[in-house]
Amino acid sequence: DIQMTQSPSSLSASVGDRVTITCRASQGINNYLAWLQQKPGKAPKSLIYAASSLQSGVPSKFSGSGSGTDFTLTISSLQPEDFATYYCQQYNSYPPTFGQGTKVEIK
Amino acid sequence: VQLMESGGGAVQPGRSLRLSCAASGFTFSSYGMHWIRQAPGKGLEWLSAISYDGNTKYYADSVKGRFTISRDNSKNTLYLDVNSLRPEDTAIYYCAKAILAGGRDWFDPWGQGTLVTVSS
Repeated sequence: DIQMTQSPSSLSASVGDRVTITCRASQGINNYLAWLQQKPGKAPKSLIYAASSLQSGVPSKFSGSGSGTDFTLTISSLQPEDFATYYCQQYNSYPPTFGQGTKVEIK
Repeated sequence: VQLMESGGGAVQPGRSLRLSCAASGFTFSSYGMHWIRQAPGKGLEWLSAISYDGNTKYYADSVKGRFTISRDNSKNTLYLDVNSLRPEDTAIYYCAKAILAGGRDWFDPWGQGTLVTVSS
C-alpha cells in the first residue's frame, strides 16, 4: 500500500495568514492526489483533485501543487471558516490511502 | 447530488449490519461508488469500491472476507454488509461517489455518514 505522510500534524495560525501543508507519498503517484477538508462533526469535502485542480465551488484561496511524491496545499489568506482538518489522499492505485490529517487551529 | 447513509447503530461483537447509501441527483447507474470509514477521533480509512455495473469490486485487506459491497441500480442504492463485527469496526461509515478522471477515480461528494458502534 502507498503510505501518505502529511506535515505538520497540526498548526496554529491567525486569520489572514498564508498556510502551507505538505503531503509525501511513499512512491510516485503521478498527480493522482486529492485534498479534503473536514470540519468537526461533518463529512469530508473535496477541495482539490489531480493535485492542482480546484473542485467546483471551492474558493480560489485554496491551491494545490506537486507531482510524483511531493505535494502541497496552500491557503492564501486563512479565514475563520477554514479552521478544520485537512487530508491528502492518493487515488493512483488501490487501495486508496489518506494522510493522517493536519489540524489547522486558531492562534 | 445527494448521498444519504443509513443502517448504523449499536451492535454486539460478532453481529452483522447492512449499511445503505441512497443516492439522488445523478444517474446512479453510471458511477462507481466507495465506502470509507472514520473511527472516533481518527483518520480516514478506505474500505471498498464497486464499479457502476456492480461487476468489479475492491476491498481493503482489513475487511476482506467480512464486508461485502453491492448495489441495486434500480433502487439507486449502495450497500455494505458488515459481518463478524469487532470493537475496532466502531466508526462513522461514509459512502462517496466516484469521479473518473484520467483513468482513475476520486471521491465526491461524500454522504453525511452513519455511525456503527460495536460493544458488548
